[in-house]
Amino acid sequence: SAVISQKPSRDICQRGTSLTIQCQVDSQVTMMFWYRQQPGQSLTLIATANQGSEATYESGFVIDKFPISRPNLTFSTLTVSNMSPEDSSIYLCSVGGQGAWTGELFFGEGSRLTVL
Amino acid sequence: EDQVTQSPEALRLQEGESSSLNCSYTVSGLRGLFWYRQDPGKGPEFLFTLYSAGEEKEKERLKATLTKKESFLHITAPKPEDSATYLCAVHQAGTALIFGKGTTLSVSS
Repeated sequence: SAVISQKPSRDICQRGTSLTIQCQVDSQVTMMFWYRQQPGQSLTLIATANQGSEATYESGFVIDKFPISRPNLTFSTLTVSNMSPEDSSIYLCSVGGQGAWTGELFFGEGSRLTVL
Repeated sequence: EDQVTQSPEALRLQEGESSSLNCSYTVSGLRGLFWYRQDPGKGPEFLFTLYSAGEEKEKERLKATLTKKESFLHITAPKPEDSATYLCAVHQAGTALIFGKGTTLSVSS
């Protein structure tokens, strides 16, 4: 399985600011996703990060609020823009295994964001 | 609406007291069902994949089974180190994984 590093692991931010979360994988992977985990809730998919093209967003998530970059097969960033307290959550980077994707996902440690 | 429901939400066991966690799903075109373990402050850790009804997978004290409507995660003679939140997720054609809310297991010695 891939080793996934996320930075920052946690941060406290002020309302109205933006924060960029980085995800680095130790091997090239095709599938890369960003999830959000709010307290007491399921993991919710924000978007699929596509290498070299625009991310594919799920219903309820928009590019202006959650811009995503994926310049290569080992790295991606998620920005949470114009933050409000409702954005306080854990943000998780996940990847599929190498080769043809069979649905398995491997997760980073997550980035715990608190917005004041 | 497609749905993944886990029960119970929380489960407290004594060390050695076996039990089962349930994951029921209503998605169509299931391509796989996944179990994950999540410890506090960490990302989910992959445990099992099940692809078809009747399939079973085992790992140490854990055994996962799958029917056409639900999956069970059986925990045999649990130890305190098995305490964690267990997440179930389903994969259907054309979509990413859909997760349940999880079952938080506490095992006391």
